[in-house]
Amino acid sequence: GAVVSQHPSRVICKSGTSVKIECRSLDFQATTMFWYRQFPKKSLMLMATSNEGSKATYEQGVEKDKFLINHASLTLSTLTVTSAHPEDSSFYICSASLIMNTEAFFGQGTRLTVV
Amino acid sequence: KQEVTQIPAALSVPEGENLVLNCSFTDSAIYNLQWFRQDPGKGLTSLLLIQSSQREQTSGRLNASLDKSSGRSTLYIAASQPGDSATYLCAVRWNFNKFYFGSGTKLNVKP
Repeated sequence: GAVVSQHPSRVICKSGTSVKIECRSLDFQATTMFWYRQFPKKSLMLMATSNEGSKATYEQGVEKDKFLINHASLTLSTLTVTSAHPEDSSFYICSASLIMNTEAFFGQGTRLTVV
Repeated sequence: KQEVTQIPAALSVPEGENLVLNCSFTDSAIYNLQWFRQDPGKGLTSLLLIQSSQREQTSGRLNASLDKSSGRSTLYIAASQPGDSATYLCAVRWNFNKFYFGSGTKLNVKP
């Protein structure tokens, strides 16, 4: 299957700093990628849809100024957690599909810990 | 409201047993449904994808069925092994921008 690579896999940052997470589709072009957040022992919640060349679409309740998404190319989307706080600590996962009705492939996830 | 529910939340079985994981969804007008496996602290591994026009998909010891009219999907695992221990997630796509996940079933297969 297609490969989606996410980096870094783990990051620890100080409160108030910003952290950037990258999501790359390695062997296909993805006009749309998705960012999810997973709380401990909970399922994945869609945060936003990242569209190449245009603004991201955020889900209700997700602060777009806090979670900045950039989809600069057909193979790269980035999520920047700005002015991170301990409550932002979570597992963040991205995904991409070739086209609408095909499998969704997920990155390995990023464990963010804000201290 | 579109929701995905998985039961049971946790399941512990001895090695060799056949088992069934359940997924239910509220709106039958789905595009597709996908089963994933998640190991602790890891990302998601796709297991099976069922399109809305399909009734089942099989891969090795795994078989997933889909009954849209009743809003249900099941994941059948034959001859379970300790290596099958993980959390299994069911995800339903109602449109391209929405992929709703169930809360998962945590499976433990005891040697």
